[in-house]
Amino acid sequence: DAGITQSPRHKVTETGTPVTLRCHQTENHRYMYWYRQDPGHGLRLIHYSYGVKDTDKGEVSDGYSVSRSKTEDFLLTLESATSSQTSVYFCAISESGRGNSYEQYFGPGTRLTVT
Amino acid sequence: QKEVEQDPGPLSVPEGAIVSLNCTYSNSAFQYFMWYRQYSRKGPELLMYTYSSGNKEDGRFTAQVDKSSKYISLFIRDSQPSDSATYLCAMRTPTDSWGKLQFGAGTQVVVTP
Repeated sequence: DAGITQSPRHKVTETGTPVTLRCHQTENHRYMYWYRQDPGHGLRLIHYSYGVKDTDKGEVSDGYSVSRSKTEDFLLTLESATSSQTSVYFCAISESGRGNSYEQYFGPGTRLTVT
Repeated sequence: QKEVEQDPGPLSVPEGAIVSLNCTYSNSAFQYFMWYRQYSRKGPELLMYTYSSGNKEDGRFTAQVDKSSKYISLFIRDSQPSDSATYLCAMRTPTDSWGKLQFGAGTQVVVTP
């Protein structure tokens, strides 16, 4: 998985609790992304980062926040987990977001269940 | 309406058959087109990439883009049970500076021995 790890790989949590997912890369890529994948919806972008401390919202960012204090780490926080946030979360990295550079490498995913 | 439409399947074919997958899209600004393969409980991996219109072949895989019809296809020849996976199309515009990809929902393919 292209030097990307995600932790935890599985988590069950209760409604209303905060949850933090971690993405760690060893590729020194500038761009990092958080997606969620749900049946019938494919992959939807939650937040992305284009550098240390530089982040922005994707299409489904409500209820999520992110932080990137180091190039290699990108954290996704569910501030108060809800059952609608039960999903599989994927982190992805990309060397560049411009021009012909197209490839995003995906991590193994985190399966989150909110009860 | 979604920007990218993809039939979810499942698409079941016998081993050795040709698998035909496709996506339609509505945004004429899309210029980069990709196909990802995702095995069960794994992350997606890039399979094929095409810029603008035309065909691209890589081994048993052929990707086609028809921009006039806003339609892209992926063909898998001589399909194998190891091709059983979900295939996602993805696309982007040249002006998105941070690499935003728009994904289809994915088509599940089952190749039976």
